[in-house]
Amino acid sequence: QVQLQESGPGLVKPSQTLSLTCTVSGGSINSGRYYWGWIRQHPGKGLEWIGYIYYSGNTYYNPSLKSRVAISVDTSKNQFSLKLSSVTAADTAIYYCARRRTSAEEFDPWGQGTLVTVSS
Amino acid sequence: QSVLTQPPSVSGTPGQRVTISCTGSSSNIGSGYDVHWYQQLPGTAPKLLIYGNTIRPSGVPDRFSGSKSGTSASLAIAGLQAEDEADYYCQSYDSSLSGFVLFGGGTKLTVL
Repeated sequence: QVQLQESGPGLVKPSQTLSLTCTVSGGSINSGRYYWGWIRQHPGKGLEWIGYIYYSGNTYYNPSLKSRVAISVDTSKNQFSLKLSSVTAADTAIYYCARRRTSAEEFDPWGQGTLVTVSS
Repeated sequence: QSVLTQPPSVSGTPGQRVTISCTGSSSNIGSGYDVHWYQQLPGTAPKLLIYGNTIRPSGVPDRFSGSKSGTSASLAIAGLQAEDEADYYCQSYDSSLSGFVLFGGGTKLTVL
């Protein structure tokens, strides 16, 4: 079955850009049946949708983060990536990647998540 | 504060039935958008529990059930077990915010 795995630096300095990659295994990111998304969870808090991308490159972002977010896809590596610019301590969170069907809105499966801390 | 409102906590004893509510509005649940539920065990990623309001993915026990009416949805857990202690989140879609994916604030279920 499809598995997703996040990777990237666990520590980012304030004002810099957070960069994470999600590697998809057990299935092709080229499948037209899915979107590939990012969701974050602040420590001890709830879930916040960041955005998702279609294999063709079409992107959809949370309006509250849109000015700082860029999601891209690399079909040759079966990966998609998140960049969040001008980070502050408020961006410290566990970042999850997840798959969403194009015909529905639920996310399944999810990666295990990666904690990113913004600190100098 | 989340647009989808969940009680911060619920509790129950083993064997009991508990419900978790998810209240939205006319621009999300009330517009006919589906509600999905996730279970997050301590220290793990969320796991899809119910999708399309009432559908259980393969492997999810039938003790878990979902329903939706008007601008609200509910998750019911029957025959409560100790391993059900977790955080539960609802999710839907909102047409007023340009394709905005919404999560509820989460409910902590404690098995007494």
